[in-house]
Amino acid sequence: GAGVSQTPSNKVTEKGKYVELRCDPISGHTALYWYRQSLGQGPEFLIYFQGTGAADDSGLPNDRFFAVRPEGSVSTLKIQRTERGDSAVYLCASSQGLEGWNEQFFGPGTRLTVL
Amino acid sequence: KQEVTQIPAALSVPEGENLVLNCSFTDSAIYNLQWFRQDPGKGLTSLLLIQSSQREQTSGRLNASLDKSSGRSTLYIAASQPGDSATYLCAVRIGYGQNFVFGPGTRLSVLP
Repeated sequence: GAGVSQTPSNKVTEKGKYVELRCDPISGHTALYWYRQSLGQGPEFLIYFQGTGAADDSGLPNDRFFAVRPEGSVSTLKIQRTERGDSAVYLCASSQGLEGWNEQFFGPGTRLTVL
Repeated sequence: KQEVTQIPAALSVPEGENLVLNCSFTDSAIYNLQWFRQDPGKGLTSLLLIQSSQREQTSGRLNASLDKSSGRSTLYIAASQPGDSATYLCAVRIGYGQNFVFGPGTRLSVLP
């Protein structure tokens, strides 16, 4: 079956604009994770969902960042009033459940550039 | 707070060599550890997943070991090939439902 997909693959925006990044998890996966990867670093956790609810959003850097998963499948990461420091690759992952033994499968990422 | 480090940061070897990448974590209370490969501009490809109760996992030319008590994992790559050139990331999962904590990666170059 299809893997995790993310759209767009690249997004260039101007400082102060609003952006939405989309993640389509593997069908049937109830857990969904968002990570952010800056150049030369490993991914950093942002938020994860179990079903429709955000189980842990402790990684969101500030209140300009928000994510939803209204029907328990597709998720959208929303960034308001973008800043140059938001430039990074945003990765999404999904897994069958929250149990620790479940493998996380990653999408190709969205590269966000804020000018 | 769990911290993950990887040594070396970068490695360049001639084709055919066997090599070892190292990963260390500060808190031994992990659920599992996963090794990933990342090609430039691409997402993460899972290589090996080691559960906390396991000592090692093997896939083809790759072997990953886990020593929870010492907070270490190694990824062994046998008979390296230029196609192995990529960044290798290790990540630990710290609890039920928990996200991964990633290391910064080792950038590997295998020269033909």
